[in-house]
Amino acid sequence: DGGITQSPKYLFRKEGQNVTLSCEQNLNHDAMYWYRQDPGQGLRLIYYSQIVNDFQKGDIAEGYSVSREKKESFPLTVTSAQKNPTAFYLCASSGLAGVTTGELFFGEGSRLTVL
Amino acid sequence: QKEVEQDPGPLSVPEGAIVSLNCTYSNSAFQYFMWYRQYSRKGPELLMYTYSSGNKEDGRFTAQVDKSSKYISLFIRDSQPSDSATYLCAMPGSARQLTFGSGTQLTVLP
Repeated sequence: DGGITQSPKYLFRKEGQNVTLSCEQNLNHDAMYWYRQDPGQGLRLIYYSQIVNDFQKGDIAEGYSVSREKKESFPLTVTSAQKNPTAFYLCASSGLAGVTTGELFFGEGSRLTVL
Repeated sequence: QKEVEQDPGPLSVPEGAIVSLNCTYSNSAFQYFMWYRQYSRKGPELLMYTYSSGNKEDGRFTAQVDKSSKYISLFIRDSQPSDSATYLCAMPGSARQLTFGSGTQLTVLP
């Protein structure tokens, strides 16, 4: 089945540790996104990429890093510089038309908790 | 002022009721208006979208856009317990980045 796979689903991290969240898609989509969701705040864009080896910062990129070495993969690293990393992280992808219309396909999310 | 404002609820209705979910926005450049549905602990899924002003109907769901008032609505007819979810409005802006509302949590009671 075509879709977006995020892993792990739940992750616990000690303060000062970097963690990497995986996102893989088999929809042959060019664009991929990472969002953060906090209670009562909707979704906020962290990073996005419209083509391999290129990505742009979103509204809240500080303390995060990404790479786009393959079309199918867009991993997100939450670094120790992120002051409040506990959140629900969502990866999404879209085709070229979806970049204009806003039609995104989301994964099931990764919940990160900092202990 | 946020670009997209949405009443967070929570909203609780009996089964069979008509539900009205609303968003206001400030950016007159928005052309596409999206509604996403998100079940608890899941990723959002696109429910429907409209382009420019007017209505769009899909089964029990109707999306309405009033660009003169910068106001969009999602109506759910004959609501079911399976409609219980958080509903997010979203609009792509000039930078092709989606701006999301904060979401309205809906519970349909059997």
